[in-house]
Amino acid sequence: QEKLVESGGGVVQPGTSLRLSCVVSGFTFSYHGMHWVRQAPGKGLEWLSMISYDGGKADYADSVKGRFTISRDNSKNTLYLQMNSLRPEDTALYFCAKSSNFYYSQMDVWGKGTTVIVSS
Amino acid sequence: VIWMTQSPSLVSASTGDTVTISCRVTQGIRSYLAWYQQKPGKAPELLIYYASTLQDGVPSRFAGSTSGTDFTLTISSLQSEDAATYYCQQYSSFPPTFGQGTKVEIK
Repeated sequence: QEKLVESGGGVVQPGTSLRLSCVVSGFTFSYHGMHWVRQAPGKGLEWLSMISYDGGKADYADSVKGRFTISRDNSKNTLYLQMNSLRPEDTALYFCAKSSNFYYSQMDVWGKGTTVIVSS
Repeated sequence: VIWMTQSPSLVSASTGDTVTISCRVTQGIRSYLAWYQQKPGKAPELLIYYASTLQDGVPSRFAGSTSGTDFTLTISSLQSEDAATYYCQQYSSFPPTFGQGTKVEIK
């Protein structure tokens, strides 16, 4: 059974940093691209970033470019999202999601999410 | 950026009804469109990809279709467990973009 489990969320002050993790199981992590998607309270889905199967290529939404960094450790079956210079508008539920192929395709498995609250 | 416009934003229907949700995109995406279902407090789940291919395990009452830049999700014989918000998403070009969502309520 393919499973994604996010962690690392919390309540932080504006301007600080946080690193989210997503541990996967049930599939060959190193064969698949991975995404981060967030959902602000009561709002829709916003794609943030994705990384290729080998970590060689990454892309970002304009809203987080230069502040967030996606990475992966295939030896640990873990995806990361380093979030710097956090803003109140970054408050959201953060999901990791698996791409059905090695890079860019539909997101066929999602984690349950981890909550980030940015507030002073 | 390819923008996605979903309509309606809310639909209220009875069990057994047929519900259609539209997703219009601002430029051609071939068939690189997915539909997701998100129930309250849960993560999204993939229903359909490549515009009309049903994800494994998804009931056959869900169907996707396309006509140019207009995409449709049809739920036939609506069930109570179909109460959720549905999102379309294009993966033809970067960045991937989602529609704003359509909430399906059961009367």
